[in-house]
Amino acid sequence: GDSVTQMEGPVTLSEEAFLTINCTYTATGYPSLFWYVQYPGEGLQLLLKATKADDKGSNKGFEATYRKETTSFHLEKGSVQVSDSAVYFCALSEGGTSYGKLTFGQGTILTVHP
Amino acid sequence: NAGVTQTPKFQVLKTGQSMTLQCAQDMNHEYMSWYRQDPGMGLRLIHYSVGAGITDQGEVPNGYNVSRSTTEDFPLRLLSAAPSQTSVYFCATQTGTTDTQYFGPGTRLTVL
Repeated sequence: GDSVTQMEGPVTLSEEAFLTINCTYTATGYPSLFWYVQYPGEGLQLLLKATKADDKGSNKGFEATYRKETTSFHLEKGSVQVSDSAVYFCALSEGGTSYGKLTFGQGTILTVHP
Repeated sequence: NAGVTQTPKFQVLKTGQSMTLQCAQDMNHEYMSWYRQDPGMGLRLIHYSVGAGITDQGEVPNGYNVSRSTTEDFPLRLLSAAPSQTSVYFCATQTGTTDTQYFGPGTRLTVL
């Protein structure tokens, strides 16, 4: 079945540091890929997405590129802020008959210090 | 628009008790889903619905029931709560024209 693997362990950075959170996936078809963010005490919000190979999703300074050859969708930001502290989830959807079903990675806790 | 609403926000149950987690949406989305979030495991799909009257099981359906009598509502029932069901539960919706899901604020459930 489908699966998503994110880098393990929390990430702690200083403000203005470069961020990378790795995400790799296994899927039978050609999934859409997502990054969702969860701020403390809140539900998940879509951060960015990409629907086909080589697409780049971007939002709020974050970006990720859909790499079919390496089955990856790594999240990057050039200069993080304290307000970026949150939990980040990589996810995929096969679409079609899989509408309504997302497969998530385990989540990565990001803490940014001033 | 309220979007996706969930009630209650917090709940404490004793083992064996039953309860219903409510989820409502005002976006007229066809698809609705229930997930549970556990530390280190991300979100896992419990049940989902592709429209009123149609539901199906996700990855972790045991111990949970759902029904979908209207487009707006998708309640999740725990018939006999167990400590293993202690978790944060999220409801999500999706329209048939996009693969983006919209999440409610969650219900934090503790089973003692």
